[in-house]
Amino acid sequence: EAQVTQNPRYLITVTGKKLTVTCSQNMNHEYMSWYRQDPGLGLRQIYYSMNVEVTDKGDVPEGYKVSRKEKRNFPLILESPSPNQTSLYFCASSLGGLSGNTIYFGEGSWLTVV
Amino acid sequence: GENVEQHPSTLSVQEGDSAVIKCTYSDSASNYFPWYKQELGKRPQLIIDIRSNVGEKKDQRIAVTLNKTAKHFSLHITETQPEDSAVYFCAASPPSGTYKYIFGTGTRLKVLA
Repeated sequence: EAQVTQNPRYLITVTGKKLTVTCSQNMNHEYMSWYRQDPGLGLRQIYYSMNVEVTDKGDVPEGYKVSRKEKRNFPLILESPSPNQTSLYFCASSLGGLSGNTIYFGEGSWLTVV
Repeated sequence: GENVEQHPSTLSVQEGDSAVIKCTYSDSASNYFPWYKQELGKRPQLIIDIRSNVGEKKDQRIAVTLNKTAKHFSLHITETQPEDSAVYFCAASPPSGTYKYIFGTGTRLKVLA
């Protein structure tokens, strides 16, 4: 089954404790991205990757890091989480960078930073 | 860069009535406009999309219209049903690629039985 899998789905952590949210896709997609969803703000892009070893900032990259060492994986790293990073996070993938490709979202990761 | 505004933020309709959600975009180069539906507690999923060379597209009870001159596009849902209750997101994508998708802020649609 074609899917985007992210873990953990739910996490409560403390300020400053490094955490990683993993994301994996089995569709051989070139493009992967991370979004955060906050009430009234919609889906905002954090980082994206057009292919292995190619990443770039989205609209809200501050406080986040990513890496793309393998085509299927695109982990999101919060080096020193803060309460304003409490949010619902979605990993997404797409066949390629051309406009018109459907974005497939993971199930989401609820992150609470206290 | 691209900016997408979406209205209304919430919309309540009686079952069987129609619902219309509108989005405007700023980048005249944008050429692809998808709509995603997010049911409560679930991931957003594509429901319909339209390209800039088409003015209207239909898929059963849903349709999307595009006015390139005015730079706005709309989602129309006819004969609404309770299962249409969800948050709907519009997005705009320039020719440079999918990674430049800009999403609207979402519309929470409630279909009242």
